[in-house]
Amino acid sequence: NAGVTQTPKFRILKIGQSMTLQCTQDMNHNYMYWYRQDPGMGLKLIYYSVGAGITDKGEVPNGYNVSRSTTEDFPLRLELAAPSQTSVYFCASSYLSTNEQFFGPGTRLTVL
Amino acid sequence: KNEVEQSPQNLTAQEGEFITINCSYSVGISALHWLQQHPGGGIVSLFMLSSGKKKHGRLIATINIQEKHSSLHITASHPRDSAVYICAAPSYQLTFGKGTKLSVIP
Repeated sequence: NAGVTQTPKFRILKIGQSMTLQCTQDMNHNYMYWYRQDPGMGLKLIYYSVGAGITDKGEVPNGYNVSRSTTEDFPLRLELAAPSQTSVYFCASSYLSTNEQFFGPGTRLTVL
Repeated sequence: KNEVEQSPQNLTAQEGEFITINCSYSVGISALHWLQQHPGGGIVSLFMLSSGKKKHGRLIATINIQEKHSSLHITASHPRDSAVYICAAPSYQLTFGKGTKLSVIP
């Protein structure tokens, strides 16, 4: 099993550009999550999904969108990138909300 | 929302020392998570515990549900234990502490 994979690993965007961060898991997990990690801060939940077709906002959803058309994939869309979105983004998955979460390797995004 | 506080923020230890990292949370929970973030950035789950104590190799996690407090201990620390250790407590979603950066010096 590959676990949770994320692409790309690194990306530099200009202000106002858009991009999609990809996340795929092969563990047949129901729950998937997107977090951002800023220097010196704890992980913050952006969006999560409890299954295909169902998504919900987390703590910091502004400026992002998600979709979950399949169990495996949970892409995160950034529209109109801003410097405040410079961060490291982690995707994670778990079978149930009360189970341990498995994390992807992260995407380091810089918006200039 | 659960407030999660970790201490210390930074910790430097000599190889072989016994290490303790503390985590306090504000709202009663069903289980607490301990995670490890490697220097390269990857995050792995170490423990989920709802009561008592769990042990995995040289790592021991304890939790006191009544006092809303958990500790992560590392026995006979080694430079490869150098990482950021993060605790997380669920409310309707996981709330993460800011992490404890551990450096173990040979």
